[in-house]
Amino acid sequence: GAVVSQHPSRVICKSGTSVKIECRSLDFQATTMFWYRQFPKQSLMLMATSNEGSKATYEQGVEKDKFLINHASLTLSTLTVTSAHPEDSSFYICSASKTSGNEQFFGPGTRLTVL
Amino acid sequence: QQQVKQSPQSLIVQKGGISIINCAYENTAFDYFPWYQQFPGKGPALLIAIRPDVSEKKEGRFTISFNKSAKQFSLHIMDSQPGDSATYFCAARAAFGNEKLTFGTGTRLTIIP
Repeated sequence: GAVVSQHPSRVICKSGTSVKIECRSLDFQATTMFWYRQFPKQSLMLMATSNEGSKATYEQGVEKDKFLINHASLTLSTLTVTSAHPEDSSFYICSASKTSGNEQFFGPGTRLTVL
Repeated sequence: QQQVKQSPQSLIVQKGGISIINCAYENTAFDYFPWYQQFPGKGPALLIAIRPDVSEKKEGRFTISFNKSAKQFSLHIMDSQPGDSATYFCAARAAFGNEKLTFGTGTRLTIIP
């Protein structure tokens, strides 16, 4: 199979703090990882695409200085929400693909609540 | 041009019935059309996918029908079961440039006994 994990599954933090979310491909090497944000009862919105060892490509309207993405290895990507505010509260989902053009495998998501 | 339009927004089907969800796209560069199933609080999971060189693909109770000329594709769930109650998203991806998936707006499906 192709399993993607995320950690933590839920996180609650105070406004102004930073939160790091990890995305790991457990049984394959992910050349590309994607980060999505999903608000309640809405679709997935792509935030950024990251390739191992290179800078992430952010979608229009996504602040790269606020949402820091690091894809340090072929099995790990991290998303850091810096200076989080209540409006950043959302469901963050990562996905990973094995090679260019192949299927994306999604993680279970991380529920972020900013108080 | 990047949009994928999905309908209906919500759907209620009786157990044993056929659930049909429709999607339409504009970008003719799209060449991969997956459907995802998402349960509350979980990440989406690939259900079935099709490429435009075929008009239909069936996997168990799930069938994708694809109409290239109309730029439409649909998901049919036969013999719908309560366990199929979930949100379904269609998506599309272009062959070149990047691997981004463009998602539809989602359909909340409820199967009633």
